[in-house]
Amino acid sequence: TQLLEQSPQFLSIQEGENLTVYCNSSSVFSSLQWYRQEPGEGPVLLVTVVTGGEVKKLKRLTFQFGDARKDSSLHITAAQPGDTGLYLCAGAGSDSNYKLTFGKGTLLTVNP
Amino acid sequence: EAGVAQSPRYKIIEKRQSVAFWCNPISGHATLYWYQQILGQGPKLLIQFQNNGVVDDSQLPKDRFSAERLKGVDSTLKIQPAKLEDSAVYLCASSSTQLNPPSGNTIYFGEGSWLTVV
Repeated sequence: TQLLEQSPQFLSIQEGENLTVYCNSSSVFSSLQWYRQEPGEGPVLLVTVVTGGEVKKLKRLTFQFGDARKDSSLHITAAQPGDTGLYLCAGAGSDSNYKLTFGKGTLLTVNP
Repeated sequence: EAGVAQSPRYKIIEKRQSVAFWCNPISGHATLYWYQQILGQGPKLLIQFQNNGVVDDSQLPKDRFSAERLKGVDSTLKIQPAKLEDSAVYLCASSSTQLNPPSGNTIYFGEGSWLTVV
């Protein structure tokens, strides 16, 4: 069973601060995805990383996939209250079947 | 383009009762998933369909959970009899194929059906 550990579990910061959340596993994933889930909604895909060492930027969000494709990080610069939500990482296995294993998530609260 | 539709949004039942959730995926999406998300945890895959066939149901508690996608479009997830630990959000999701993301495929989630078992 492939497990994804996310840290921290909870994070409460002030508007304008920077933060990094982590997603770690002992397993290799063919790809890794980050989702944001707001209360009462389903997860929404933010980014997919596929290549070891890959870095992707989405406005103030920077995503990195580890060289060994076992871990990933999400860095948010100058956080805003609209960034509040549950951030989930999910890994896809090495077989061709698209099945995701999710971490427990990091619940981020950005206070104005 | 319409998203993944789920109903009902909320359901409260007593333990040992039964409940059914319905999902209509994005039009044309061949792959349909049911996930269970317990409060404070990430979603866990219960069952994956490719058209009307089951691809993976290894984590589905088959003694009480069942799911079907008879015509390869919409799907129903049933729980009978429900237990207290079944209280969770049941998320339906769909994707155009069952191929992994390097293919450019994306999974889209519905808003979920919230179940409380008392």
